[in-house]
Amino acid sequence: DSGVTQTPKHLITATGQRVTLRCSPRSGDLSVYWYQQSLDQGLQFLIQYYNGEERAKGNILERFSAQQFPDLHSELNLSSLELGDSALYFCASSVEGRYGTEAFFGQGTRLTVV
Amino acid sequence: EDQVTQSPEALRLQEGESSSLNCSYTVSGLRGLFWYRQDPGKGPEFLFTLYSAGEEKEKERLKATLTKKESFLHITAPKPEDSATYLCAVQSGANSKLTFGKGITLSVRP
Repeated sequence: DSGVTQTPKHLITATGQRVTLRCSPRSGDLSVYWYQQSLDQGLQFLIQYYNGEERAKGNILERFSAQQFPDLHSELNLSSLELGDSALYFCASSVEGRYGTEAFFGQGTRLTVV
Repeated sequence: EDQVTQSPEALRLQEGESSSLNCSYTVSGLRGLFWYRQDPGKGPEFLFTLYSAGEEKEKERLKATLTKKESFLHITAPKPEDSATYLCAVQSGANSKLTFGKGITLSVRP
């Protein structure tokens, strides 16, 4: 158990809909990362938050947005869903140590868009 | 832009048959190279972080090494429970994000 909690584990929704994925980081970790994993693309970085503020952005679509709340949990909002958005979405939290970053991943949310 | 290439894509071994997984990378200013193990439908599980060329780390049957251009994950006398996808990722510059390779799927036959 990595200590990172993601809900829900599975989500099935129709095209055009909007969903919210939730992530609770490990206790004490200030950074939260969101990644998308599809069969052909591998793990792709979407966005990072650090202590409530956006820190870095990757290949995140404009239809997607995220935020990190004062209690450090994070939500990833996906809207106007398309079939191609079907993927595993992972959240990771990390701690900045003296020698670098160690990231720990949740179990993921499997999103299926039909 | 950071790039990570892993080879081979898939590897089938007999139990006890040692081998190595390769991760080649191109980054501007490596901060760390990471190895993860991922089982089907689950999140990546952290294995190792390597920070500088020449560094080595070991954990049970796994040993990770790092040069200036690549990293190897050596698996000694693998068991069927070592079957998984092994992911390599790099972190560079001032950014904390990880850039992942596509992974190597390892199957160990009893």
